[in-house]
Amino acid sequence: QSVLTQPPSVSAAPGQKVTISCSGSSSNIGNNYVSWYQQLPGTAPKLLIYENNKRPSGIPDRFSGSKSGTSATLGITGLQTGDEADYYCGTWDSSLSAHVVFGGGTKLTVL
Amino acid sequence: QVQLVESGGGLVKPGGSLRLSCAASGFTFSDYYMSWIRQAPGKGLEWVSYISSSGSTIYYADSVKGRFTISRDNAKNSLYLQMNSLRAEDTAVYYCARSRPRPAVWFDPWGQGTLVTVSS
Repeated sequence: QSVLTQPPSVSAAPGQKVTISCSGSSSNIGNNYVSWYQQLPGTAPKLLIYENNKRPSGIPDRFSGSKSGTSATLGITGLQTGDEADYYCGTWDSSLSAHVVFGGGTKLTVL
Repeated sequence: QVQLVESGGGLVKPGGSLRLSCAASGFTFSDYYMSWIRQAPGKGLEWVSYISSSGSTIYYADSVKGRFTISRDNAKNSLYLQMNSLRAEDTAVYYCARSRPRPAVWFDPWGQGTLVTVSS
């Protein structure tokens, strides 16, 4: 069971918008920055969002991130079939066992 | 361009050891934290360890603490993971990734991964 909670799956039609939630606690999301990763089938993960809402160079503005309290959200607009992938949130956890934590991942299906 | 290439994976018996390497290029390796992250077959991501740019700060996941050792050689632009007392549950693809320190930890880019299989 992951420290950060994500829905196992989400789906939407091409062109639509989808959001993926990531829920944590005060020891992780509540007091640290969140990052998001996209993992296309058979490939290594790729950074989509860092420091809650910043996009690395080359990531289209269809992808957005936000954080409120102990939860974070990844938004994807103008869905494309190429967006079908697993998405993971991650952050630092400042509890006794200081470490990085990831969500369990969300499988996005573009119908 | 920035590139990370892992090597050293393979099949090892329970209780055995393995050393993974990650060769970095395209950036000033000594300026960056580095991490190892693994993914068991069909499962999600699990952070394993990370090391500061100088090597003076190191963190481990509880699941590997005392068995795995992360290290780096800035002169060789290389990151390592020495894995001892391996267990079946350590079977995974191991990725190295360039990192940033807490509280804004993020990983970019990732290598292609190297598969470690622990089985008798």
